Amino acid sequence: GQQVMQIPQYQHVQEGEDFTTYCNSSTTLSNIQWYKQRPGGHPVFLIQLVKSGEVKKQKRLTFQFGEAKKNSSLHITATQTTDVGTYFCAGPRSGGGADGLTFGKGTHLIIQP
Amino acid sequence: GAVVSQHPSRVICKSGTSVKIECRSLDFQATTMFWYRQFPKKSLMLMATSNEGSKATYEQGVEKDKFLINHASLTLSTLTVTSAHPEDSSFYICSARISGHPGGEAFFGQGTRLTVV
Repeated sequence: GQQVMQIPQYQHVQEGEDFTTYCNSSTTLSNIQWYKQRPGGHPVFLIQLVKSGEVKKQKRLTFQFGEAKKNSSLHITATQTTDVGTYFCAGPRSGGGADGLTFGKGTHLIIQP
Repeated sequence: GAVVSQHPSRVICKSGTSVKIECRSLDFQATTMFWYRQFPKKSLMLMATSNEGSKATYEQGVEKDKFLINHASLTLSTLTVTSAHPEDSSFYICSARISGHPGGEAFFGQGTRLTVV
C-alpha cells in the first residue's frame, strides 16, 4: 500500500541553526501538505504544494515539491524556540476516496537554547 | 480558518466502561470526517472515515464494534470507545475537510486524551 516516509525522526539543533525534514512517497502525489504539531497540541496546517517542482516560502520556512511529485522537503532557516514541535507531511490516500490523507511519521524538532 | 471542535479534551474512565468523543465542524459542513489515533511521539494513524448518513469505513485492524462511529449530521461525528481497556488509552483526534473542496487542508480538532484505568 501507499507509504509516506519522513526523515529524520528526531532532529536536535541549537537555536539559530537551520533544520530540514524530508518526505518521500511510494506513489506520485497530486499534492502534498505539511502540518505542525506543538507538544500537547493538535496538527495545524502549514501549506499545500500542488505543482511539480514548486517552491513556497513562509518567512523562515521553505517548502519544496519534487519534480516527480513523490518527495518534498521543509527547510527552516535560523530556528527559534517557537519552531519546536513535530512536522508532518501528508498526501492524498491513493485509491482512497473521501479526501483521506496519509501522514508521514513526522520529524520531531528539538531546539536547544 | 475553519474550526473543528472536539470534546472532551481529556477523559479518564474505568475499564469496561464506554466513552463518547464528539467532533463538530463549527462553521462549515463536512460530509466526511476522519478519526485518528496517536501514540506518544508517533504519527497519526487513521482509524476510520466517518460518512454523514451512512456507515463509517474502518481501516484494516480497527475493530468496528469497539470503536463505534456515528455521523448523524453534516457538522457532527461521534466516536464511542466501547468496553474500554487500558490499551485503548491514547490521543484521539478528528479532522474534517470542507465539503466540495477535496484538495484543501484538513482541520483538526483539539484531540481527546483518553486514559483507561
